[in-house]
Amino acid sequence: NAGVTQTPKFRILKIGQSMTLQCTQDMNHNYMYWYRQDPGMGLKLIYYSVGAGITDKGEVPNGYNVSRSTTEDFPLRLELAAPSQTSVYFCASSYRQTYNEQFFGPGTRLTVL
Amino acid sequence: KNEVEQSPQNLTAQEGEFITINCSYSVGISALHWLQQHPGGGIVSLFMLSSGKKKHGRLIATINIQEKHSSLHITASHPRDSAVYICAVRPPWNYGGATNKLIFGTGTLLAVQP
Repeated sequence: NAGVTQTPKFRILKIGQSMTLQCTQDMNHNYMYWYRQDPGMGLKLIYYSVGAGITDKGEVPNGYNVSRSTTEDFPLRLELAAPSQTSVYFCASSYRQTYNEQFFGPGTRLTVL
Repeated sequence: KNEVEQSPQNLTAQEGEFITINCSYSVGISALHWLQQHPGGGIVSLFMLSSGKKKHGRLIATINIQEKHSSLHITASHPRDSAVYICAVRPPWNYGGATNKLIFGTGTLLAVQP
């Protein structure tokens, strides 16, 4: 199993550009999550999904959108990139919500200039 | 005040030393996670606790629910243990905001010198 994979690993965007961060898991996990990690801060939840077709906002959803058309894929969309979205983005998945560990992808380092 | 506080923020140890990293939290929880983030950035789950103690190899995690405190211990530390160790708690289902979130500490940067 590859686990949780993310692409791209690095990306530089100009202000106002858009992009999609890809996340795929091959563990048949129901729950998937997008986090951002800023220097000196704990990870913050952007969006999460409890299954295909179901998504919900986390703590910091503004400026992002998600979709979950399949169990495996959970892409994160940035429509109008802003410097405040410069961060490292992690996708994670778990089989269930409670009492289950989360498996993390390798991260995407995004810089918005 | 952060809901999850870790101490110390930075820790330097000599190879072979016994290491303790602390995590205190201010909310009720259903579970607590310890995670390891290596310099390359990847995050790995080490433990998930809701009570008592867990051991895996040289790593031991304990939790005291009444005191809202958890510790991560590393015995016989090695340079390959150098990483950021992150504590995260899962609030109960009816906690304000997103019901499926973890609340993360800011991490403890551990450097083990040979």
